[in-house]
Amino acid sequence: SAVISQKPSRDICQRGTSLTIQCQVDSQVTMMFWYRQQPGQSLTLIATANQGSEATYESGFVIDKFPISRPNLTFSTLTVSNMSPEDSSIYLCSVINTGQGGEKLFFGSGTQLSVL
Amino acid sequence: GESVGLHLPTLSVQEGDNSIINCAYSNSASDYFIWYKQESGKGPQFIIDIRSNMDKRQGQRVTVLLNKTVKHLSLQIAATQPGDSAVYFCAENRHSGGYQKVTFGTGTKLQVIP
Repeated sequence: SAVISQKPSRDICQRGTSLTIQCQVDSQVTMMFWYRQQPGQSLTLIATANQGSEATYESGFVIDKFPISRPNLTFSTLTVSNMSPEDSSIYLCSVINTGQGGEKLFFGSGTQLSVL
Repeated sequence: GESVGLHLPTLSVQEGDNSIINCAYSNSASDYFIWYKQESGKGPQFIIDIRSNMDKRQGQRVTVLLNKTVKHLSLQIAATQPGDSAVYFCAENRHSGGYQKVTFGTGTKLQVIP
């Protein structure tokens, strides 16, 4: 299984500011995803981070609000822009290594974001 | 629309008893299902998976059952222990054009009573 490191692990931010979350994987993986988990709820897919091209966003999520980068096969960032209290959530980076026939999704520990 | 949902939000079980967590899915094209366990402050952890061409799969103390006729998935935990207390999610992995997308259900919180 892949080891996924996310940082920061938590942050408290002011309304209107932006936060960039980093995700580093210890091996090359084919697919990387960003999920949001609002308090007491399930996980919702924000987007698939594509290496070398624009991310694929799910319904209800847009690039202007959640810009994503993926410069290589081991690293991705998610930015939460112009934050409001409604953005307070856990943000999770996850990976699937289809290169080895994998289908299991592995997760980092997440970034707990609180917006005041 | 497509959805993966759970019947019960909270389940309390006496230590040593068996636990059964249920999940319903609506996409008949789904071909791979996974159960995840999430402890407080951590990301979800893989427990067990099952493909759509199987009815049952067993792991260590856990069993997943798949009923495609009624689109129902269940996770059985034998001899439940305090360390099993967590939120459990079912998820479906759908393949489309070389890409994969994992959709999660609502989640069930399992409370083990010592």
